[in-house]
Amino acid sequence: NAGVTQTPKFQVLKTGQSMTLQCAQDMNHNSMYWYRQDPGMGLRLIYYSASEGTTDKGEVPNGYNVSRLNKREFSLRLESAAPSQTSVYFCASSIGQRSGGYTFGSGTRLTVV
Amino acid sequence: DAKTTQPPSMDCAEGRAANLPCNHSTISGNEYVYWYRQIHSQGPQYIIHGLKNNETNEMASLIITEDRKSSTLILPHATLRDTAVYYCIVRAEASYDKVIFGPGTSLSVIP
Repeated sequence: NAGVTQTPKFQVLKTGQSMTLQCAQDMNHNSMYWYRQDPGMGLRLIYYSASEGTTDKGEVPNGYNVSRLNKREFSLRLESAAPSQTSVYFCASSIGQRSGGYTFGSGTRLTVV
Repeated sequence: DAKTTQPPSMDCAEGRAANLPCNHSTISGNEYVYWYRQIHSQGPQYIIHGLKNNETNEMASLIITEDRKSSTLILPHATLRDTAVYYCIVRAEASYDKVIFGPGTSLSVIP
């Protein structure tokens, strides 16, 4: 049981380049989330998807887009990367109803130069 | 969702109990208290959650005050591998959910 799988694990981009971070879960969870984590800042919510077919903005959505491709997959796209987007990105999922914890992926470490 | 307040850092001697406090004075009746931890460079890991009653699992115990305005996570016999940032969050029971993580408590277990 893989849980939440993120790809790639590491990425270096040049300013202005675009890329998509992939996330997939195999737990039949309804809700999925993208967070970024910067030193000393804790986890900040970028976007979330409460259920298949819906997406909503979190705390820091500017510069990002998301797609809930199906129940399993939730991707995060940077259209024109900026150095301020250098961060560690975590994908998470949860059952989405009633109580239940989040399961996180192992993260994508992105550097924009 | 209600906000939480945690001390920024704590130390604990190896083998002793680590007691991590969390204040959530504006918690609503349908909000659960959750605890996660993040070991350096890894994704956060779910530890335990509760609504009103105290809870215990193989990792930790959660003590929630009767008025539900604060809680304590207890690691009964801390080891060096428990050194991590511990996050306390509250989350409503709803058809969908999103959670905002605060800065958490950085726990250092000292040999």
